[in-house]
Amino acid sequence: GAGVSQSPSNKVTEKGKDVELRCDPISGHTALYWYRQSLGQGLEFLIYFQGNSAPDKSGLPSDRFSAERTGGSVSTLTIQRTQQEDSAVYLCASSFPTSYNEQFFGPGTRLTVL
Amino acid sequence: QQQVKQSPQSLIVQKGGISIINCAYENTAFDYFPWYQQFPGKGPALLIAIRPDVSEKKEGRFTISFNKSAKQFSLHIMDSQPGDSATYFCAASPRRNKLIFGTGTLLAVQP
Repeated sequence: GAGVSQSPSNKVTEKGKDVELRCDPISGHTALYWYRQSLGQGLEFLIYFQGNSAPDKSGLPSDRFSAERTGGSVSTLTIQRTQQEDSAVYLCASSFPTSYNEQFFGPGTRLTVL
Repeated sequence: QQQVKQSPQSLIVQKGGISIINCAYENTAFDYFPWYQQFPGKGPALLIAIRPDVSEKKEGRFTISFNKSAKQFSLHIMDSQPGDSATYFCAASPRRNKLIFGTGTLLAVQP
């Protein structure tokens, strides 16, 4: 079946604007994760969903960042009042609940804040 | 204590050679250690993973060596090929809901 999809693939915005990034996980994957990859850096965990609940939000860098998941499927990551330091690739991953951390990643959304 | 330290930052290997990437961790609660491979413009893809109850796992040309007492693990790529040129990330999981990643190793295999 289809892999994890993310949209848009690229987003250019102006400082101070709000952006929404979308993730469609693999069908049947109840666990969903958001990560951020800055230039030349590793992946930084942001938030984890199990179903529609987010038991671990510990990686969200500030209250400008929020995420939701509806219907146990699609997730949206929202960044309010974007700053230049938010520029990065935002990656979504999903996994089966029974597969021990075998996370399957989407291609990412490259966010550029001017 | 949540960090995973990865080295080297970059690596150049001749075709047919062995590529070795090392990672170290501090948190003894980590219980799952995967390696991911990432090509430019793509998301990372799981390559191979190991649990701390074994010292080595081999899949094809890829081997993970794990040293629990030293809190270190490494990826060995045997008979490296130009198609293996990519960025490799080690990771560790403190529990079943997130991965802590190393900073990545850019591997270039020269023909």
